[in-house]
Amino acid sequence: QVQLVESGGGLVKPGGSLRLSCAASGFTLSDYYMGWIRQAPGKGLKWLSIISDDTYYTDSVKGRFSISRDNAKNSLYLQMNILRAEDTAVYYCVRKAVGISWSAFDIWGQGTMVTVSS
Amino acid sequence: QSVLTQPPSASGTPGQRVTISCSGSTSNIGSNSVNWYRQLPGTAPKLLISINDQRPAGVPDRFSGSRSGTSASLAISGLQSEDETDYYCAAWDDTLNGVVFGGGTKLTVL
Repeated sequence: QVQLVESGGGLVKPGGSLRLSCAASGFTLSDYYMGWIRQAPGKGLKWLSIISDDTYYTDSVKGRFSISRDNAKNSLYLQMNILRAEDTAVYYCVRKAVGISWSAFDIWGQGTMVTVSS
Repeated sequence: QSVLTQPPSASGTPGQRVTISCSGSTSNIGSNSVNWYRQLPGTAPKLLISINDQRPAGVPDRFSGSRSGTSASLAISGLQSEDETDYYCAAWDDTLNGVVFGGGTKLTVL
């Protein structure tokens, strides 16, 4: 069964750090471009980052967040530093569908909640 | 403020056909394909329409997509009560060098 399972969310103070993990099963993570998308409470979807042979980030997280993957563990990660209250959201790990479209994400994790608050 | 513009709400009666628009610019919809997502309450979004008008396996043919110029549309025919949820459009933006989403449209089945 093709599946993504996120972990690592929780409560963190402003300025703190958190590392999200995403375990893939049912497929080989290294065969796909992978990414992270978040959704603040009651708000819409916001793309954060994607990793292919290169890495791409939305402006608001550049220099603070870092995406990486461990092919041996079939896992994706998001290292989040200098967290702000506005980073509070559900974070989804996503798989980009095979093909030319960079905004087609065919597999989503269940999401992990990150709360940034003092 | 989202880069792609969707109406915040839409509505229709059972059996009706409704469309949801997604407006962008030459750097996103005008030069890249559009994908649509459906998000049921409390769950992760699901890919509904890919590459402008392609239905992934398992998506009923009641759902269709189109793209023209810098705009795209999602059409839902034979509206059902279970279609009452949130819909999002997305596209790659060549200027921002990233994926941009619409703000989402909440569809109500009256």
